[in-house]
Amino acid sequence: QKEVEQNSGPLSVPEGAIASLNCTYSDRGSQSFFWYRQYSGKSPELIMFIYSNGDKEDGRFTAQLNKASQYVSLLIRDSQPSDSATYLCAGYSSASKIIFGSGTRLSIRP
Amino acid sequence: SQTIHQWPATLVQPVGSPLSLECTVEGTSNPNLYWYRQAAGRGLQLLFYSVGIGQISSEVPQNLSASRPQDRQFILSSKKLLLSDSGFYLCAWSPGPLHEQYFGPGTRLTVT
Repeated sequence: QKEVEQNSGPLSVPEGAIASLNCTYSDRGSQSFFWYRQYSGKSPELIMFIYSNGDKEDGRFTAQLNKASQYVSLLIRDSQPSDSATYLCAGYSSASKIIFGSGTRLSIRP
Repeated sequence: SQTIHQWPATLVQPVGSPLSLECTVEGTSNPNLYWYRQAAGRGLQLLFYSVGIGQISSEVPQNLSASRPQDRQFILSSKKLLLSDSGFYLCAWSPGPLHEQYFGPGTRLTVT
């Protein structure tokens, strides 16, 4: 069973700090990784995608991919209360099937 | 720009009744389309995906079915709902294989 695993949290971070969300995957052939943000009662919203090893930055968000260690991370700088949500990690397996993690709940405390 | 619509937004149905949920995408052609279900506090479960008109792949055997009568229309159906069918149903599209997926607003289904 190919898996994408995330710590369910909740992860509590003070406002203005860096939130670090992590995800590991079991299929070494996986490629194309994604981070989604899901507010309670709403649908997931794509915030970042990363295909290559290394870092990818977009505003306050940085996605990091390390294929050798099979992990993907998302850093949120200058965390705001509006960043409080569940963050889903997803990746395509070597069989081209997308697999979602169960999500990490992030809480930004004022 | 592309837009994805789902309706209805909420639905309360008795056990044994039929179901039809609709999803349409605007602003793109030949998208890959997906149906997911998310139970309360749980992750996303892929139910069906389609790479073209009339082409449906089922991921989980159950009492649900899907159809794609037009390029940008995806329908989720059931002849008889079960209590376990309750959940948040999400439609998504992607430009192609291995690409990012974009989700619609979802339909919250409660089977009573």
